[in-house]
Amino acid sequence: QSVLTQPPSVSGAPGQRVTISCTGSSSNIGAGYDVHWYQQLPGTAPKLLMYGNNNRPSGVPDRFSGSKSGTSASLAISGLQAEDEADYYCQSSDSSLSGVFGGGTKLTVL
Amino acid sequence: QVQLQESGPGLVKPSQTLSLTCTVSGGSISSGSYYWSWIRQPAGKGLEWIGRIYTSGSTNYNPSLKSRVTISVDTSKNQFSLKLSSVTAADTAVYYCASVTPTIWGGYYEYWGQGALVTVSS
Repeated sequence: QSVLTQPPSVSGAPGQRVTISCTGSSSNIGAGYDVHWYQQLPGTAPKLLMYGNNNRPSGVPDRFSGSKSGTSASLAISGLQAEDEADYYCQSSDSSLSGVFGGGTKLTVL
Repeated sequence: QVQLQESGPGLVKPSQTLSLTCTVSGGSISSGSYYWSWIRQPAGKGLEWIGRIYTSGSTNYNPSLKSRVTISVDTSKNQFSLKLSSVTAADTAVYYCASVTPTIWGGYYEYWGQGALVTVSS
């Protein structure tokens, strides 16, 4: 049982926009801790996709955007492409400085 | 750019201790720019945070694993290590080492190793 809750799967057609939610609690996201997102392609290590709620590392397309409100956060992907098909994980922290992850969301590009 | 590489036995017997080392290149492990963390992922499942170590040597561990985990750092070798005792089949997973970029409100995992598969089996 993951500390942060994500939908197991989302899907969309090429060119469409999808969002992935990440719900936490007053102990983590709601306490003010930042939310970060990772993309994991099959058979590879996770890759940092978004940090500090809505900041993209160099090289990440601006099709990816993040937001945070209250005890939840969201990752939006616009202009969906076949190469976006992957697992996506949200991550935050809690007052004990533990790292907490979501259970992951599998994105399928139809 | 920082690079990380895990190393250690791929097979561990039940009840024994799992030991992995992460070698950091492209920067000094004691620079203070990062903390250092271990994360694992059972096959087909999500990511589980194991713990992290600061360059001072202080640590934070996942409460569910705390009684069995030890993370240490060897600055002379630019390495940090994971030991997990009394392993069972449930500890079979891909183990990742990662750098933690600290922020005022938590931290994020900027660089990752490629992962090391550890299987617990007799």
